[in-house]
Amino acid sequence: GAGVSQSPSNKVTEKGKDVELRCDPISGHTALYWYRQRLGQGLEFLIYFQGNSAPDKSGLPSDRFSAERTGESVSTLTIQRTQQEDSAVYLCASSLQLRPIYEQYFGPGTRLTVT
Amino acid sequence: TQLLEQSPQFLSIQEGENLTVYCNSSSVFSSLQWYRQEPGEGPVLLVTVVTGGEVKKLKRLTFQFGDARKDSSLHITAAQPGDTGLYLCAGVPGGSNYKLTFGKGTLLTVNP
Repeated sequence: GAGVSQSPSNKVTEKGKDVELRCDPISGHTALYWYRQRLGQGLEFLIYFQGNSAPDKSGLPSDRFSAERTGESVSTLTIQRTQQEDSAVYLCASSLQLRPIYEQYFGPGTRLTVT
Repeated sequence: TQLLEQSPQFLSIQEGENLTVYCNSSSVFSSLQWYRQEPGEGPVLLVTVVTGGEVKKLKRLTFQFGDARKDSSLHITAAQPGDTGLYLCAGVPGGSNYKLTFGKGTLLTVNP
């Protein structure tokens, strides 16, 4: 079946503008994650959604970052008043809720460049 | 914060050579995963190891989880150009089963 898809694949924006990134998870996957990958760095956890539970927002770096998910479908990550340090690849992943670990399937990412 | 240190950071070898990359931490992880990421793509899960001392084989790739569940290694036999990519390890701290901590990765280049 179809994998995780993300759009846009690339986004160039001016400092101070808002951006919205979209993630379509694998159908039937109840869990959805957002990560940020800066050049030369590992993946940095941002936020986790699981069904109708309250999301784990502990990784969001500032209040300029927010994310929403409707049910078990599409999620959007919004960055307000973008800064140059927000430039990175933003990756989305989804998983089934299976023990002992939720194995995550990643999308191709959105490369964000803030000029 | 539980950190995962990967080494080496960069590795360039010739086709047919063997290699090992390492993932180390001072903390215990309940499980550990290895991913491979190619340019312009998201990471792809290779394996999950759960039990201390566990060894898993995936064709020419051998993964080992340390007895104390603080470290892991990935050994590739007879590397091929198709093995080129960024290898990431990711651990699940105790008490969580979704919040992965990623290392910075080993960038492997296999030259034909």
